[in-house]
Formats: sequence, structure tokens, C-alpha cells
Amino acid sequence: NAGVTQTPKFQVLKTGQSMTLQCAQDMNHEYMSWYRQDPGMGLRLIHYSVGAGITDQGEVPNGYNVSRSTTEDFPLRLLSAAPSQTSVYFCASKKRQGYGYTFGSGTRLTVV
Amino acid sequence: AQSVTQLGSHVSVSEGALVLLRCNYSSSVPPYLFWYVQYPNQGLQLLLKYTSAATLVKGINGFEAEFKKSETSFHLTKPSAHMSDAAEYFCAVSDGDSGTYKYIFGTGTRLKVLA
Repeated sequence: NAGVTQTPKFQVLKTGQSMTLQCAQDMNHEYMSWYRQDPGMGLRLIHYSVGAGITDQGEVPNGYNVSRSTTEDFPLRLLSAAPSQTSVYFCASKKRQGYGYTFGSGTRLTVV
Repeated sequence: AQSVTQLGSHVSVSEGALVLLRCNYSSSVPPYLFWYVQYPNQGLQLLLKYTSAATLVKGINGFEAEFKKSETSFHLTKPSAHMSDAAEYFCAVSDGDSGTYKYIFGTGTRLKVLA
């Protein structure tokens, strides 16, 4: 099993550009989430989904959109990149409540 | 609202010494609790989880954690540190019965193992 696959691994954007971070899992997991990791702040939840067609906001949703048209895919869209969005982004999935998350290897995003 | 506090952003231990990483949580309903490890430039890997069964939970790589409701704690321990344990460790809480499905992570503890 590939687990959780994130692409790209590295990205540099200019302020104002938009892009989509891809996330796919092949474990038939119901729950998927996007986190950003910043030094000294741990992981903060951006958006999450409890199944296809269902998404909700986390702690820091502003500037990001998500959709969940299939069980496997959960892309994260940056609408108009800002330097404050420079971070490492992790996608994660889990089978259901009470299970641990499986994390992807991350996308390191720099906005200049 | 649920929250997690990890005491000590950096912990150093000698190889062979006891590892103790502290985590306190706040939750209005019975929680699920987790410990994750992150090695440099990698994603997070699940070490162990508490889901209201046994209060002493054993995980991978010789780690274990004890759920203490009276102290709202879920500290991570390992009897004897190994050089390969050097990493960052995150505690996380998820409400067990509230219907929310969100994890809240602590800010992490970086473990350094001294030879």
C-alpha cells in the first residue's frame, strides 16, 4: 500500500498565486485532514472531511479551500498565496473515530 | 474545548536513561489520546493511542503511556533511551463522544539523546 501520497514535496509560490496541494490515500479511510506545521506551534488543523462530499473547517481555514469528491482524494487549494502561508503542509487519513491518523510525507511551501 | 499542553519543548537524556515526555489534556468528554513521533523531514508516525480500554498503553519502539484521569495526563515513557529515539514527539487529543472528529495537537517536544 502506498498509504497517503502528497504532491508536490516542495513548492515556491509568488504572493497572489494560487495552487492546489494534492493528497490521495488508498486505504479506504473515511476521515481525511489537512494540517500545517510551523516552528513552535505544533500542527494546526486547516480543514477536515468525514467522508466524500462532507468537509468542515478546522482552526486556521482562512485562505484555503477543500473538496472531497471521492473517498481517495482530498486536495487543498490556496486561493491567493500570502507569505504567512509559508509552512509545511501535511495530509492525513484515518479509518474512523478512535483510530490514529496515517500521515503523508508533507509539502514544504514557500511564498515569496 | 479540548486542548493539549506538552511541558518542555526540548528534553535531553543520556543514552540508557529513562525517557519521560509530559502531556496534559483538557476535554469535556472522554478523550481519545495519541502520541506521535516525527523524524527530520518526515511525516508523523503513530506511537500509541488510548481509547478508553486499558489505562497503560504500550506502543512501538518500547514506548508506553499511562492515562491518568485524575491528573488529566498522558505522559510518554521509555525505560532506556536509544540514540535512534532522537526525534520530535507530539501528543494529540480527540473528543471520544462529542461527535467531533478533530484532533488537537500539542506544540511538540524535541528529544535529544546524549551519548
